[in-house]
Amino acid sequence: QKEVEQNSGPLSVPEGAIASLNCTYSDRGSQSFFWYRQYSGKSPELIMFIYSNGDKEDGRFTAQLNKASQYVSLLIRDSQPSDSATYLCAVNIKGTGANSKLTFGKGITLSVRP
Amino acid sequence: EAEVAQSPRYKITEKSQAVAFWCDPISGHATLYWYRQILGQGPELLVQFQDESVVDDSQLPKDRFSAERLKGVDSTLKIQPAELGDSAMYLCASSLPLAGYNEQFFGPGTRLTVL
Repeated sequence: QKEVEQNSGPLSVPEGAIASLNCTYSDRGSQSFFWYRQYSGKSPELIMFIYSNGDKEDGRFTAQLNKASQYVSLLIRDSQPSDSATYLCAVNIKGTGANSKLTFGKGITLSVRP
Repeated sequence: EAEVAQSPRYKITEKSQAVAFWCDPISGHATLYWYRQILGQGPELLVQFQDESVVDDSQLPKDRFSAERLKGVDSTLKIQPAELGDSAMYLCASSLPLAGYNEQFFGPGTRLTVL
């Protein structure tokens, strides 16, 4: 079993819809969780992180974390064509400080249709 | 705005040649990471530095890859000799030391093509 799994995708939604991106992880000791956006040919860009159970909202983006289910998701409201990109889920598995290590999923490609 | 700098942005080389990539992290970020990203996959950690010390190089192919961060600031990743399978995006990231939740910020990357 891979440490971070992003199995749903590619995802296509119409402009203005809500896009829901899902990620599961295997290590129950994971402490913080990140969503990166990566446009084709570009490097990953950090858009959100979350470390407590529940929801965290930032503009049109909401991250949701459920540690009991080992599940983290990203909701994008009012999706725009500019949101079309690959979204990478990353999990901090070894804790904080110098021993911190992010493990990435393979990403989900989102396409927003005008 | 503070950014991670990387050069070159693109590199084309022939197999068996040596290549080197350079990274300058965000000022004040003591932790530096080198990742390799193959098309369609997420980044995979090659090596992690805390200041000038290697914290994790368990996934670095040490027979051909080397990395250094001599003064604890900028870093160089070298491949010698390059192989066809090394074609990938090489990403450098940095984060604040011993603080926060390990938010990592990436540079623009170096796209390596080995012919």
